[in-house]
Amino acid sequence: EVQLVQSGTEVKKPGESLKISCKGSGYSFTTYWIGWVRQMPGKGLEWMGILYPVDSYTRYRPSFQGQVTFSADKSMSTAYLQWSSLKASDTAMYYCARRNNSSFDYWGQGTLVTVSS
Amino acid sequence: SYVLTQPPSVSVAPGKTARITCGANNIGSKSVHWYQQKPDQAPVLVIYYDTDRPSGIPERFSGSNSGNTATLTITRVEAGDEADYYCQVWDGSSDLYVFGTGTKVTVL
Repeated sequence: EVQLVQSGTEVKKPGESLKISCKGSGYSFTTYWIGWVRQMPGKGLEWMGILYPVDSYTRYRPSFQGQVTFSADKSMSTAYLQWSSLKASDTAMYYCARRNNSSFDYWGQGTLVTVSS
Repeated sequence: SYVLTQPPSVSVAPGKTARITCGANNIGSKSVHWYQQKPDQAPVLVIYYDTDRPSGIPERFSGSNSGNTATLTITRVEAGDEADYYCQVWDGSSDLYVFGTGTKVTVL
């Protein structure tokens, strides 16, 4: 069974750093790209970018370029999303999803990130 | 950038048919995917490549795509279909993945 399991809820202060994870199982992790999607409170889905786990090649949506960093540890079948300095506006649910051709066929359960002083 | 426009809400009585549209310039030339998101849950792919259903998705869900509009159709609507629905495409000209604005389906 294909699964993407994300790390748990995070509560952080502005300016702090954070790295959340997404562990794949039930399939060959290096065969599929991993996408990251943001959902701000009460809002819709927003594609942040995509990562190729084989070589950690990344493609960011322009509005997220320089704001976040994607990475992967293929030996652990895990993808990561990190921030070096969080802002209150980063408060959102973050999903990882497996890209299959041009759709996202399996999704993680989401990681809720709250940034508040 | 490529924008996908959906109606904010659609209301439908149980047993009836719901149609959710996704409008964009020449969307018929692209592959459209649809996701269902129930409250406090992750999105689930319900239609891919305009018309295909992943395993486990009921036949009541179908899709079409032509011209400037793609449509997700849910027949014999059930209370459990109440959710937000999003369309999505890959815009090859910008190499960006785009989600629609989302439609809340309410079962009366």
